[in-house]
Amino acid sequence: EAGVAQSPRYKIIEKRQSVAFWCNPISGHATLYWYQQILGQGPKLLIQFQNNGVVDDSQLPKDRFSAERLKGVDSTLKIQPAKLEDSAVYLCASSLGVSHRLEAFFGQGTRLTVV
Amino acid sequence: TQLLEQSPQFLSIQEGENLTVYCNSSSVFSSLQWYRQEPGEGPVLLVTVVTGGEVKKLKRLTFQFGDARKDSSLHITAAQPGDTGLYLCAGPNDYKLSFGAGTTVTVRA
Repeated sequence: EAGVAQSPRYKIIEKRQSVAFWCNPISGHATLYWYQQILGQGPKLLIQFQNNGVVDDSQLPKDRFSAERLKGVDSTLKIQPAKLEDSAVYLCASSLGVSHRLEAFFGQGTRLTVV
Repeated sequence: TQLLEQSPQFLSIQEGENLTVYCNSSSVFSSLQWYRQEPGEGPVLLVTVVTGGEVKKLKRLTFQFGDARKDSSLHITAAQPGDTGLYLCAGPNDYKLSFGAGTTVTVRA
């Protein structure tokens, strides 16, 4: 079974530029998460989708971050414009759904550096 | 304020020693999960505990869920350098999956 795929693995941009990350979850997984992880800290949930609907986006900085999950499969996370404090690893994860205790399977992440 | 508090934040031990990592909350959880994350990789699920008082063993790792389902612990026996990593607990809350800040474990050879 293929795992969660993310791209790119690394990205370096200047502040005020825009960037987009892509995620392809495990086939059949209804729930998709985007997390932001600062080095050495736990992942912080940015947005959680159930199929193509949003379950929670309370910690998503909506003035600069946006995410979509078209057709309930792939997802993209965009930052525009980027700030220095957005430097972090962005992790995508998926799980079967609410009835399966939300056990998450993660991609390798995208390391973003804003200079 | 973190929903799940993990302690200690850092732990450095010699190969062969034992260690325990804690995950605490003031909230009741239907289940708690433990993940291990190695540098440059995403977290990998180790175990899910569901029943209060439950104990699960995974080779040298022992996981326990508190009777009140508000806390959990991870005990590693005879730690090896391969156990080095960031240990994270997580749990579903209002249908969201929330993580603790993690414990960084370093096992020296």
